[in-house]
Amino acid sequence: GAVVSQHPSRVICKSGTSVKIECRSLDFQATTMFWYRQFPKKSLMLMATSNEGSKATYEQGVEKDKFLINHASLTLSTLTVTSAHPEDSSFYICSADTGGASAFFGQGTRLTVV
Amino acid sequence: DQQVKQNSPSLSVQEGRISILNCDYTNSMFDYFLWYKKYPAEGPTFLISISSIKDKNEDGRFTVFLNKSAKHLSLHIVPSQPGDSAVYFCAARIIQGAQKLVFGQGTRLTINP
Repeated sequence: GAVVSQHPSRVICKSGTSVKIECRSLDFQATTMFWYRQFPKKSLMLMATSNEGSKATYEQGVEKDKFLINHASLTLSTLTVTSAHPEDSSFYICSADTGGASAFFGQGTRLTVV
Repeated sequence: DQQVKQNSPSLSVQEGRISILNCDYTNSMFDYFLWYKKYPAEGPTFLISISSIKDKNEDGRFTVFLNKSAKHLSLHIVPSQPGDSAVYFCAARIIQGAQKLVFGQGTRLTINP
């Protein structure tokens, strides 16, 4: 299957700082990427849909000023958690569409805010 | 509004037997369905998918069945192996317009030796 690389896999940051997570499609161009958040023992919650060259579409209840998404190229989307707080600690996952019907996921990023 | 539901949070199966994971959906506009396998602290891994124009798709030990009239799909794993122990998510989408995937809650499958 298609390869999606997410970096970093784990990050610890201090409360009030910002953290950037990268999502790259390694062997295909992705016009659409998705960002998810997973709480412990819960399903994946879609945060936003990222389209190359345009503004991201955020799901209801997701603060767009807190979770900044940039999709500057067909192979890279970034999620920046701004002014992080302990309640932002979670597992964040990106996925990318290959242009077909299937979507492939990155390895995920475990964010811990202390 | 939970459009995709996996009503069994967990399932335990003996090694070598068949594992059957179930998924129900409510949105009749969904036309593509996928199954993912997920280990803790990792992203989901794509397993198998099926288009709404089919009722069965098979790939090795994995078979997905779709019953459109019942809005129900199932994933069969046979024979089950210890490495199959993971959380399985079903997902559905509307293909046109690259619509987002809608996930079920997941089913934790445990394969016992």
